[in-house]
Amino acid sequence: DGGITQSPKYLFRKEGQNVTLSCEQNLNHDAMYWYRQDPGQGLRLIYYSQIVNDFQKGDIAEGYSVSREKKESFPLTVTSAQKNPTAFYLCASSMFRLAGSYEQYFGPGTRLTVT
Amino acid sequence: GENVEQHPSTLSVQEGDSAVIKCTYSDSASNYFPWYKQELGKGPQLIIDIRSNVGEKKDQRIAVTLNKTAKHFSLHITETQPEDSAVYFCAASINYGGSQGNLIFGKGTKLSVKP
Repeated sequence: DGGITQSPKYLFRKEGQNVTLSCEQNLNHDAMYWYRQDPGQGLRLIYYSQIVNDFQKGDIAEGYSVSREKKESFPLTVTSAQKNPTAFYLCASSMFRLAGSYEQYFGPGTRLTVT
Repeated sequence: GENVEQHPSTLSVQEGDSAVIKCTYSDSASNYFPWYKQELGKGPQLIIDIRSNVGEKKDQRIAVTLNKTAKHFSLHITETQPEDSAVYFCAASINYGGSQGNLIFGKGTKLSVKP
């Protein structure tokens, strides 16, 4: 059963704690992405990675960190420096970033609540 | 950078009617335009996409049209059904000389289909 898995589906943390969101894909995709979604907003890019051991900041990277040690895994850490961490977090992957092969597929998301 | 505007933000139609969602983009270098459907509490699902070398693409009850001169593209859903109720997102991506840029998303349209 191929796809993208994110765990957990719901996550609760106290303010000041770091938390790591999991994203795994078995589609053999090269590129992986993390987005943040807030109510009534589109998807905003946090970080992305085109190959193993390499990643780039997106539009809203402050307060977040990532790693890409394996092709199939791209965990996101929400640090205590993130001012408004409560949101719905989506992971996505795509095969290539060459023109003509760029369909992105999304996981089911993790809803993080920080109080 | 690229900016994507999406209208309307909410759309209510009767079952069997057609629904049209429109997006405009700012950068004429954009060449890839996907549409995503997101059901409540789930990740977005790619439903159709179009590249700048074609003007229209159809897949059963859904179609997308692209007007490069006016820099806008639209999603058309015919014979709507209650299960079409969801939030729909458009996106655009710029081609940087063979390497595809990140997706820039509109803010979404909440479609409600009344039985």
